[in-house]
Amino acid sequence: AQTVTQSQPEMSVQEAETVTLSCTYDTSENNYYLFWYKQPPSRQMILVIRQEAYKQQNATENRFSVNFQKAAKSFSLKISDSQLGDTAMYFCAFWGSTGTYKYIFGTGTRLKVLA
Amino acid sequence: GAVVSQHPSRVICKSGTSVKIECRSLDFQATTMFWYRQFPKQSLMLMATSNEGSKATYEQGVEKDKFLINHASLTLSTLTVTSAHPEDSSFYICSARVRDQETQYFGPGTRLLVL
Repeated sequence: AQTVTQSQPEMSVQEAETVTLSCTYDTSENNYYLFWYKQPPSRQMILVIRQEAYKQQNATENRFSVNFQKAAKSFSLKISDSQLGDTAMYFCAFWGSTGTYKYIFGTGTRLKVLA
Repeated sequence: GAVVSQHPSRVICKSGTSVKIECRSLDFQATTMFWYRQFPKQSLMLMATSNEGSKATYEQGVEKDKFLINHASLTLSTLTVTSAHPEDSSFYICSARVRDQETQYFGPGTRLLVL
């Protein structure tokens, strides 16, 4: 069975600094997708970035980028130039192409950006 | 694009009554919708997966007679909490995906309080 682990329950970062959130996963599948979702205080889940496992190039979306290490089964999220609006819960999610179309979520990392 | 709405955003009801929550995909056809429950400061817990026109698949431990799910069209799924009790108080989130695509788009959630 697939598992997703986020080992950092809480993190903080100064505004304008860079922070990296870690995520590891376990799977026997070869074709899958990984996601980072942000859940701000409003509790609306927002897609931050996604990575297709068969693509070696790390995904980037503006200030957000990932470090995808397939062999190590690691999928970390780097937030550059942190902004106060980045304060949120961040969830890592796994989706396997041979499964039941459901996500496997990590337990989340609460990020606080400090002014 | 890919907007999902939920209604109501919050509801307060008396113990023993039933509550219906609607989830709509506004600008796409959702072949699959998911219903989650989220406790404070925790990750999302998948309750059930529903495919348009067929019965929902419930996760282990979720009472299907208590949480009735209907996915009657490609843009609407409903979750009915029957004979609600205070322990059903929670934050309920739906998400939707398009056939053959892996990304889920989330609704803004519904806060249910049962008195």
